[in-house]
Amino acid sequence: DAGVTQSPTHLIKTRGQHVTLRCSPISGHKSVSWYQQVLGQGPQFIFQYYEKEERGRGNFPDRFSARQFPNYSSELNVNALLLGDSALYLCASSLRSGPGGETQYFGPGTRLLVL
Amino acid sequence: AQKVTQAQTEISVVEKEDVTLDCVYETRDTTYYLFWYKQPPSGELVFLIRRNSFDEQNEISGRYSWNFQKSTSSFNFTITASQVVDSAVYFCALSGPTSGTYKYIFGTGTRLKVLA
Repeated sequence: DAGVTQSPTHLIKTRGQHVTLRCSPISGHKSVSWYQQVLGQGPQFIFQYYEKEERGRGNFPDRFSARQFPNYSSELNVNALLLGDSALYLCASSLRSGPGGETQYFGPGTRLLVL
Repeated sequence: AQKVTQAQTEISVVEKEDVTLDCVYETRDTTYYLFWYKQPPSGELVFLIRRNSFDEQNEISGRYSWNFQKSTSSFNFTITASQVVDSAVYFCALSGPTSGTYKYIFGTGTRLKVLA
């Protein structure tokens, strides 16, 4: 079975632009989470969606938004890009959303560079 | 608050040496979950293990072993007879009701370099 897929793999944008990142979960998984990983740091939680509803949101500004589609794929949108948004964006899928500490399986990530 | 500390920023070993990666966590939850992931240069986080707080049994999987000790809030990871392919950044993560069991709190990672 295919793992979590993300597109694009790399992206270069300029400050103020908008970006959309895409994620397809493992077949049968209904939950998608997004994380931001800045160079040299651990991933930071941005959002989780389960059955097309937002289940959790991390400490990120409103410039970050996401949604989940009926086929459980997901998009992460970032508006008004800042230099500090340059990072590896990771998508993770899991069967469910809590409360059992579901194991999350990660995709290869999208490397975003903001100039 | 929940927190994961990986005090070792970088470790270098020679192939075939054993190496232990430390993970110390903080939580007020009585039920929580601990994870280890491997991140090779490609960037993808590879799942290694999940442990429940009520299961303190140590686990061995091939050359990998994990030592979970609630008394010291530690969940350490040992690689026996390390190989060059083990070179990667390793992350320890925690989830629990306080932060939302859907959300992982990651440590800052330990970069392991295995030299031939």
